[in-house]
Amino acid sequence: DAKTTQPTSMDCAEGRAANLPCNHSTISGNEYVYWYRQIHSQGPQYIIHGLKNNETNEMASLIITEDRKSSTLILPHATLRDTAVYYCIVRGRAGNMLTFGGGTRLMVKP
Amino acid sequence: NAGVTQTPKFQVLKTGQSMTLQCAQDMNHEYMSWYRQDPGMGLRLIHYSVGAGITDQGEVPNGYNVSRSTTEDFPLRLLSAAPSQTSVYFCASSYSTGTGGGYTFGSGTRLTVV
Repeated sequence: DAKTTQPTSMDCAEGRAANLPCNHSTISGNEYVYWYRQIHSQGPQYIIHGLKNNETNEMASLIITEDRKSSTLILPHATLRDTAVYYCIVRGRAGNMLTFGGGTRLMVKP
Repeated sequence: NAGVTQTPKFQVLKTGQSMTLQCAQDMNHEYMSWYRQDPGMGLRLIHYSVGAGITDQGEVPNGYNVSRSTTEDFPLRLLSAAPSQTSVYFCASSYSTGTGGGYTFGSGTRLTVV
């Protein structure tokens, strides 16, 4: 599975959009981009995933560049409860084990 | 539908003791895995299973054993606990096919070895 690079930490004002970038320049054609988050010491929570098209669900939007070498997770209206570590993971076929990097620690401030 | 259930939530062991961390899922997921998370670090894969009767090693398997006799259960055994195994342990499960749906994680077992 391709390696990912994320900023170590980011701040966001409550109510504003949080844009979390991820670089995955070695991604191959059949690999998906996944986003998880971990709030405090809870188990990681699945947020969204995509292959090459932009995706949106009730939690977030995922924007993948045309060359698929980077992506951005967007939380449209961040709340204090969105404060967490966000992990960007590139994963091959369904069921492949997840490889976690350091993630981005997002701090949403009032 | 309980998802992924881990027991116990907390455990203190003495060095050299053995114990089993339990993990059960009720979603009929084929894939199950165990991760450990040390303070301030990301998760690291210990062992995983792609179906009943099939297990394999992950990144940090030493000191741990697993078995998968049923689809629902995937226990993790610590053979002889060491202080280096103090960590939070997460179990996760997933379907094996489809467009790549996400893993579901349990709430974790916080283990301290003294």
